[in-house]
Amino acid sequence: GQNIDQPTEMTATEGAIVQINCTYQTSGFNGLFWYQQHAGEAPTFLSYNVLDGLEEKGRFSSFLSRSKGYSYLLLKELQMKDSASYLCAVMDSNYQLIWGAGTKLIIKP
Amino acid sequence: ETGVTQTPRHLVMGMTNKKSLKCEQHLGHNAMYWYKQSAKKPLELMFVYSLEERVENNSVPSRFSPECPNSSHLFLHLHTLQPEDSALYLCASSHEYGGAYNEQFFGPGTRLTVL
Repeated sequence: GQNIDQPTEMTATEGAIVQINCTYQTSGFNGLFWYQQHAGEAPTFLSYNVLDGLEEKGRFSSFLSRSKGYSYLLLKELQMKDSASYLCAVMDSNYQLIWGAGTKLIIKP
Repeated sequence: ETGVTQTPRHLVMGMTNKKSLKCEQHLGHNAMYWYKQSAKKPLELMFVYSLEERVENNSVPSRFSPECPNSSHLFLHLHTLQPEDSALYLCASSHEYGGAYNEQFFGPGTRLTVL
């Protein structure tokens, strides 16, 4: 079966750096997405990786290793507003999005 | 402003009620989706419409009935629901269905409680 694994919850300190990991086993691969979802709000797009390597976008970066079935989302200079759930999703060979259960990130002052 | 709106935002209904969820997208997209989001579980894809035709129906119980009258509107009709159907129902849209890098834009969801 297809599976996406990510930690259920993580805690970090304001101003610090946090890395949220995602491992996947899917039928084919057509890219990996990261979304951010604040409580009670819509998920919003953060990043898309289809080739190996690091994609940087401001304070957020996303890394992909297709051979290892692994990605991470790196958040730098954490702010209180970064407290949210982070969803990892992989597009399989049928262009279906397979979703992880999300990682709840708690930022402490 | 996400460009995808959903109404109502909150809904409480009894098991014998009939209600409908509405989604509207203002992005000119051709594909629309219904997802169910339960606590600590992955998003579950329920239905997909592309150019107003249903293309996916992932073994969803018949008590959920979708309708897509045009490419901007999507409904989810609910009847005789069960308490386990209580969840956040998210609508999303994308430029097209299928194809790589098909970013989905989500609405804020309807929080449904079935008593």
